[in-house]
Parts: sequence; C-alpha cells; structure tokens
Amino acid sequence: QEQLVQSGAEVKNIGASVKLSCKASGYPFTNFYIHWVRQAPGQGLEWMGIINPSGGSTTYAQTLQGRVTMTRDTSTSTVYMYLSSLGSEDTAVYYCARDYYGSGSYWKMDVWGKGTTVTVSS
Amino acid sequence: QSVLTQPPSASGAPGQWVAISCSVSSSNIAINTVNWYQQVPGTAPKLLIYSNDQRPSGVPDRFSLSKSGTSASLAISGLQSEDEAVYYCAAWDDSLNGPVFGGGTKLTVL
Repeated sequence: QEQLVQSGAEVKNIGASVKLSCKASGYPFTNFYIHWVRQAPGQGLEWMGIINPSGGSTTYAQTLQGRVTMTRDTSTSTVYMYLSSLGSEDTAVYYCARDYYGSGSYWKMDVWGKGTTVTVSS
Repeated sequence: QSVLTQPPSASGAPGQWVAISCSVSSSNIAINTVNWYQQVPGTAPKLLIYSNDQRPSGVPDRFSLSKSGTSASLAISGLQSEDEAVYYCAAWDDSLNGPVFGGGTKLTVL
C-alpha cells in the first residue's frame, strides 16, 4: 500500500545538524510532492517546506530559510530533510506527507509518515 | 498569530452535531483551498476533507465542510467517542507558496 516510512528518533546537541529520511513506497515516487511538517511538544503543526521529487525543486518556509535543505534520491524513492544550527526550539516530531498537486486549489497532504522525534538538548 | 483562526476547544455529546470554524484573515488565501486534518494524540495527522467538501476513501460522510465568506467550518454529525481528537484546518497561502495551519481545535466527546 501507499506509505511513507520515516527514519528513527534522533537526539542532538544544540548547534548540531540532523538529517531525516522519508522513504516512499506503493506509488510512483516522482508523481507526488513531499511536504515536511513539524510539531513541537504540545503545539500545533508548522509547515517547513516542500520538494518536487521529479526535478528536485524546493520551497522552504521563510522562518527556516538558510537552515533547511530538502533533497531526494529517485533511485531509492527517498526524500531527505537536513536542518542545521539546531536549537531547543527545534525539538519536535517531524512528519513527511505527500501531495499530488503541490499547490493551489487542489493541494492536500493525503498520506503521512508516522513521524520522527528529534530532541535537541544541551 | 496564524492567518487561520480556530477555537481552541469544542465539545459535544455522543450522537450530537458539532461544527468547528476556521476563519481566514489573509487575502493571499483562497477559501476553496482549505483542508481539514484530524490528529489523535500520539499519531500522525490524517486528511479528513479537501477541495470543496471532498473526503478521502474511508472517511465517513458524517464529516462535511461548509463555507461562508471567509470562514470554512468542519461539521461532524452523529458524534462518536472515536472522534475525540485535535482538528486542524490548513490552506494554501500564495504569498508563502506553501500551506498554513490553524492553531488546532481539541474536540471532546462528553
């Protein structure tokens, strides 16, 4: 079935970087955009950015510009999210989610990964 | 402060009808791009409603969308205990070239 499988939990020190993965299966990898969304403990959902696995183009949330990079590997149907200069405010569950249209009236995140917990501590 | 405003909480008894509002306060967001997601604590969000009251396969028709002006509301009829969750509206922001989320509404089934 269509699914996104995310990498395991990470514990990082302040100032470090983290690279998370999201492996797609059960559907044509390059047909769907992938969003990254995070959720701090007890908080709401925050959109981080989107990547088009077909050409690799990306758009990032302005609040994370310069710290976040999203890439993809079409040979393994995997999307990666790299976040640098981690602070305590980056402690969160990170989700990937797919979207066929990737923008406009028909966008929707219809399949989600189970999430990866990232803990940043000193 | 999000450009999508939701009430922090809502409640209803089993079998009742409840509506959760999502008010759009930005001209860069079209009301017809509003989606609704359900999140049971400890699990990933799940798509409930998208694109003018469409439901993914498996979502019961007890869940519906109504729109009025700059507000899009999620309506749940025949409330059930398993509907207890946090509900988020989200919409596409053309100025960000990405979606924004409302703050979430915690629904309690009494």
